[in-house]
Amino acid sequence: DIVMTQTPLSSPVTLGQSASISCRSSQSLVHSSGNTYLSWLQQRPGQPPRLLIYKVSNRLSGVPDRFSGSGAGTDFTLTISRVEAEDVGVYYCMQSTLWYTFGQGTKLEIK
Amino acid sequence: EVHLVESGGGLVQPGGSLRLSCAASGFTFTNNWMSWLRQAPGKGLEWLANINEDGSRKYYADSVKGRFTTSIDNGKNSLSLQMNSLRVEDTAVYYCARLFFGDVRYFDYWGQGTVVTVSS
Repeated sequence: DIVMTQTPLSSPVTLGQSASISCRSSQSLVHSSGNTYLSWLQQRPGQPPRLLIYKVSNRLSGVPDRFSGSGAGTDFTLTISRVEAEDVGVYYCMQSTLWYTFGQGTKLEIK
Repeated sequence: EVHLVESGGGLVQPGGSLRLSCAASGFTFTNNWMSWLRQAPGKGLEWLANINEDGSRKYYADSVKGRFTTSIDNGKNSLSLQMNSLRVEDTAVYYCARLFFGDVRYFDYWGQGTVVTVSS
């Protein structure tokens, strides 16, 4: 199985500031097709997960451009600019290159 | 608008069985893969199973292979998960989700989840 490791596990952020979450995979996520299947999901309290970004850096329709993804190979980052109160929740990276595995989650909270 | 609604969760004793359902609206299972995932209390997400649009292809995580079976009813636009030989560690919120599969691979729509508690 591909193991996904996120850091930090908790991220206190001041409103209006930026937050970055790192995700590292135990092996390269580059598929034989040339695609890299790395997604980011947000889970607000009491809600199911919601897809934000797919294939490393593509935002799903309707996702604010404050959310951006980057990275390659085994190292990926989710950056949230100008954090708002509605961004509070747990963020997961997910690989779907070889089956599907998730990071442990990073809890974003407001200072 | 797409909606997925799970049902069938509850309290069951270890070794028991439970059948979950997922009703879909706003899209049809035709040309769509569907998935089951779960989230144990205070824990992260775990993929469990995939099923293709006509039910002819199914894939399971090792943790549930041989115990869980998923099936699809296109006439009712619904999905089910038959869970047998349940263990305490199967306690979780169970979600159905649509798997967008092709050049991209992601779970784009999720239900609200149904709670399964395995306890004596």
